[in-house]
Amino acid sequence: GAVVSQHPSWVICKSGTSVKIECRSLDFQATTMFWYRQFPKQSLMLMATSNEGSKATYEQGVEKDKFLINHASLTLSTLTVTSAHPEDSSFYICSARVDGPRLNEQYFGPGTRLTVT
Amino acid sequence: GQNIDQPTEMTATEGAIVQINCTYQTSGFNGLFWYQQHAGEAPTFLSYNVLDGLEEKGRFSSFLSRSKGYSYLLLKELQMKDSASYLCAVRDLSDSGYALNFGKGTSLLVTP
Repeated sequence: GAVVSQHPSWVICKSGTSVKIECRSLDFQATTMFWYRQFPKQSLMLMATSNEGSKATYEQGVEKDKFLINHASLTLSTLTVTSAHPEDSSFYICSARVDGPRLNEQYFGPGTRLTVT
Repeated sequence: GQNIDQPTEMTATEGAIVQINCTYQTSGFNGLFWYQQHAGEAPTFLSYNVLDGLEEKGRFSSFLSRSKGYSYLLLKELQMKDSASYLCAVRDLSDSGYALNFGKGTSLLVTP
C-alpha cells in the first residue's frame, strides 16, 4: 500500500517560535495533500487543502498567515506553525490523495504531536 | 459543510457483533469512508461506499443508504484489538480537492 511519512513525529517548542512539519508521499505522487488537526478526544478537523504549485485553500477560521503551507513538489507538503502559542498544541495529521484514477485512495501520515510551552 | 453524527461511545464483548451508525447531511455527496484510529496514531482506512448497499471486507462491512443519509459499520467476531475510535467521513463535491469531513468518532471498547 501507499505510504505517507511525517517529520517530526513529535516536537516541543517555546511560545513564539515557529515549527515546520513535513509530509511526504513515499511511493506515489500526490498533487493534493490535506492538513488536519486533532485535539484530545476530538475528531480530525480539516485545516487546509494543499495543492502542488499553487496556493493552499484554507478552511474557515484557519489563519493562513499563521499556518503556512508550501507544496513545492508532487511528494512533499510542509506546514509551518508560525509564532506558536500553547493553544496550538495539538496532533497534526496530513493525508495525501493518490493522483490519477485512484481518487478514492487517500492515505494518512502517522501524525506530528506539537507541544508549545 | 456537512453534519455528521455518530454515537460517542460503545461497548461490546469479545466475539460479538457491533454496529456503529453514522448519519450525515450534505449537498453534494461523493462518498462515505470509515476509518479506524487507535489512540495517538493516524487513522487507517477501513471502507468506502458511494453506492447504496453493503460492502463486505473480511470481518468488517459497511452499508450506505444515500436517500436516508445513513451508513453503518458492522464489526463481526470482535477482538480486543478492535478497541479503537471509528471515524465516519464524508466527501462532498463542493469541497476542494476531495477533502474528507470527519464525524466526532465513536470510541469502541471491547471487553473480555
